Amino acid sequence: AQTVTQSQPEMSVQEAETVTLSCTYDTSESDYYLFWYKQPPSRQMILVIRQEAYKQQNATENRFSVNFQKAAKSFSLKISDSQLGDAAMYFCAYRSAGSNYKLTFGKGTLLTVNP
Amino acid sequence: SAVISQKPSRDICQRGTSLTIQCQVDSQVTMMFWYRQQPGQSLTLIATANQGSEATYESGFVIDKFPISRPNLTFSTLTVSNMSPEDSSIYLCSVVGDNGKLFFGSGTQLSVL
Repeated sequence: AQTVTQSQPEMSVQEAETVTLSCTYDTSESDYYLFWYKQPPSRQMILVIRQEAYKQQNATENRFSVNFQKAAKSFSLKISDSQLGDAAMYFCAYRSAGSNYKLTFGKGTLLTVNP
Repeated sequence: SAVISQKPSRDICQRGTSLTIQCQVDSQVTMMFWYRQQPGQSLTLIATANQGSEATYESGFVIDKFPISRPNLTFSTLTVSNMSPEDSSIYLCSVVGDNGKLFFGSGTQLSVL
């Protein structure tokens, strides 16, 4: 079974600075997807970024980018120019590439953005 | 992206009662999922609900406790039956969009006294 580990229960960053959230995963599969979701106090799970395992290029979405290291099974999220609205719980998630869309989530990292 | 509406957004219930949570999507989707997020924890998949077939439950979840309906391609319900305080959680529905991405509703915050 796949597992996702987020080793940082909490992180903080100053507004306009850069922060990196860590995620490692364990799988025996070669084809899969990795995700970062953001959950603000509103409880809404918001997709931040997605990475396909077969792509070597790291995904980017505006101020959000990932460092995907397939051999090391590492998938970190970098947030540049942090904004107050980035404060939320961030979850790393794994999904097999098959037709089963089940997500396996890490325990989350609570990000605080200080003004 | 799919727009998902969940009702109720929150509820406080007495133990032994049941609560039905509704999930409405603004477009037709084949696959819908129900997740549970216990206090301070991550999300755990309860079941997969596909229209026209019985829901598929994950290990640790049973139909008698969490019956699911999926009458059409835009709607599903999850019932939490015979509730106990341990059922206090956020319940979220999720759908697969056209691009293969998963979208979530805003969740139902359930507190059981």
